[in-house]
Amino acid sequence: GQQVMQIPQYQHVQEGEDFTTYCNSSTTLSNIQWYKQRPGGHPVFLIQLVKSGEVKKQKRLTFQFGEAKKNSSLHITATQTTDVGTYFCAGSEVGANNLFFGTGTRLTVIP
Amino acid sequence: DVKVTQSSRYLVKRTGEKVFLECVQDMDHENMFWYRQDPGLGLRLIYFSYDVKMKEKGDIPEGYSVSREKKERFSLILESASTNQTSMYLCATWGASRYNEQFFGPGTRLTVL
Repeated sequence: GQQVMQIPQYQHVQEGEDFTTYCNSSTTLSNIQWYKQRPGGHPVFLIQLVKSGEVKKQKRLTFQFGEAKKNSSLHITATQTTDVGTYFCAGSEVGANNLFFGTGTRLTVIP
Repeated sequence: DVKVTQSSRYLVKRTGEKVFLECVQDMDHENMFWYRQDPGLGLRLIYFSYDVKMKEKGDIPEGYSVSREKKERFSLILESASTNQTSMYLCATWGASRYNEQFFGPGTRLTVL
């Protein structure tokens, strides 16, 4: 079955440092989505990538979808305390009717 | 505004009890999901439903069942709760296309004593 692995599991950074989380799928994906879960909250959709090699930006966040559509990354530039939370990637196989969530990366930002 | 609600935010039950977790959505979405979230394990899919009275097993269905009698409501049932079912349970909905985002409910933190 499909597996979506995410690394690292935890990341602690000083405020102002950059942060990257990586997502790898065992199968080719039709699209990939990223979610953020604040402490005590529920996952909230951030963005979706569909095309091979696609790069999208949201302010300090940069999302990338690999050429083979099997991996993705989220990079945050100059982290802030508001970035704290767990970031999940979620991929969908071609023809599938559900999403497979990665294990998540829990980001702590030290002021 | 999009809304996914879950019947309880916190629930404490005893081993062997039957537990019902309810999820209601107002978006007319076909697809509904139940996940459990545990530290270090991310979101694991228990069951999902793509239509009324339809259900499919996810990755960890053992010890759970579901019911979808109406489009807006998806129930997760623990027939006989066990301590290893202590977890955060999240309901989500998804529109007809896989290119839509999933919308999550606030979650139910279940403790089984």
